Parts: sequence; C-alpha cells; structure tokens
Amino acid sequence: KQEVTQIPAALSVPEGENLVLNCSFTDSAIYNLQWFRQDPGKGLTSLLLIQSSQREQTSGRLNASLDKSSGRSTLYIAASQPGDSATYLCAAVWGGDYKLSFGAGTTVTVRA
Amino acid sequence: DAGVIQSPRHEVTEMGQEVTLRCKPISGHDYLFWYRQTMMRGLELLIYFNNNVPIDDSGMPEDRFSAKMPNASFSTLKIQPSEPRDSAVYFCASQVDLFTEAFFGQGTRLTVV
Repeated sequence: KQEVTQIPAALSVPEGENLVLNCSFTDSAIYNLQWFRQDPGKGLTSLLLIQSSQREQTSGRLNASLDKSSGRSTLYIAASQPGDSATYLCAAVWGGDYKLSFGAGTTVTVRA
Repeated sequence: DAGVIQSPRHEVTEMGQEVTLRCKPISGHDYLFWYRQTMMRGLELLIYFNNNVPIDDSGMPEDRFSAKMPNASFSTLKIQPSEPRDSAVYFCASQVDLFTEAFFGQGTRLTVV
C-alpha cells in the first residue's frame, strides 16, 4: 500500500533556527511530491513541487529535497520566523491513479 | 485569477437536512478535486473530475454523497441526508493536469448537529 508519513506531528523551535521537516513514502516509484502549508482555518497553499527526475527545489528560504531510493523528502526552512508557524503537509503522486496521497502533517510553532 | 472559490465558508445544519457545497475552479484548470479533512482521518480524496467528467469517485463514503460538474467553472458536492459524522472541512482543489501543482480553496467547514 502506498502511504505517506510525516514525523514528528508537532515541532517547536526558537526564532532564527533552521527548520527541518520530514516526509517518508512507502513506494519509491513516485511521480512527484508536493509540499503544502496550511494555516488554521485556511486552505492549503502549495510551496514546492518536486518531479521524480529532480533532487531538489528551492524558493526563497525554502528548499525541498527528494531521495526516492530511501523514500524520503525533506523540507528545509532557513532562519525561521514566527510567521512560519503553520502545519506543513507533503503529498506524493504515484503512477496508476496519479492522485495526491497526503501525510498527516507537521505542525510547526516558531517562538519569538 | 482569484483562485479556487468555495461557498459557503461555514455551514451549520441539522441532521437529515440536505447540504450543498459549491466550488469555482481556476479558469483553464482541467481537473477538479473534492477532499474532506478531519482530525481523525486527515485529508481524504472524495472524487475528482477531468473536463467536467467524474473520473474516480471511489472515495465517496456513501450514496448520501453526490457530486456534479455541469460546466468547467462550477461544481457541487451534495450530502443528502446529512449526519453528524459528516462534520468536517471540505476542500475543493483544481489543477491544470495531474502532474502540476494543486491549488486549494479556503474550504467549507460543515457542522451537522
């Protein structure tokens, strides 16, 4: 069964510290992987999309890596700010049905 | 573009009543998805459409749930009759194709009492 797991469920860091968020998936034959941010009471905002042929994607302070052989993706957020406090979800797409399969998310709190 | 637009944002209804959720996808996006989010089960895909045609409804929990997409700019998700266990946040999302970014609406928070 193709599954996506995010550990830990919650994370608290002081402002300025680099954030490292983990996402693991059971089947290495993914098509792509997407990272989202969700603020309380809001929808999901797409942060980065990594295709299977890519090793990483960068946008500003965000960098996402993809290692298919180990079944892992990592989202790095440099120099965290209180405004980065949110829930971060990853979602993988596999061939066949090409539907997004979501992890449960990691809720981040950045302390001022 | 204003993004994916959902209405209403909040809905409180009594058990047994019919509930209709609405979604306007981003223009030019050929795929529309309905998701449900709960604390217990996270985000679940209910159904998705391609060019207004339902492709996969295997996630629809029961016959009480139905979805339509009469044209490229409008979709509805209907629950009839509603039950308390249907209480959740329902999201609509659209994509250009299955290999590009998903854009989500703000969601409809449904409470069935």
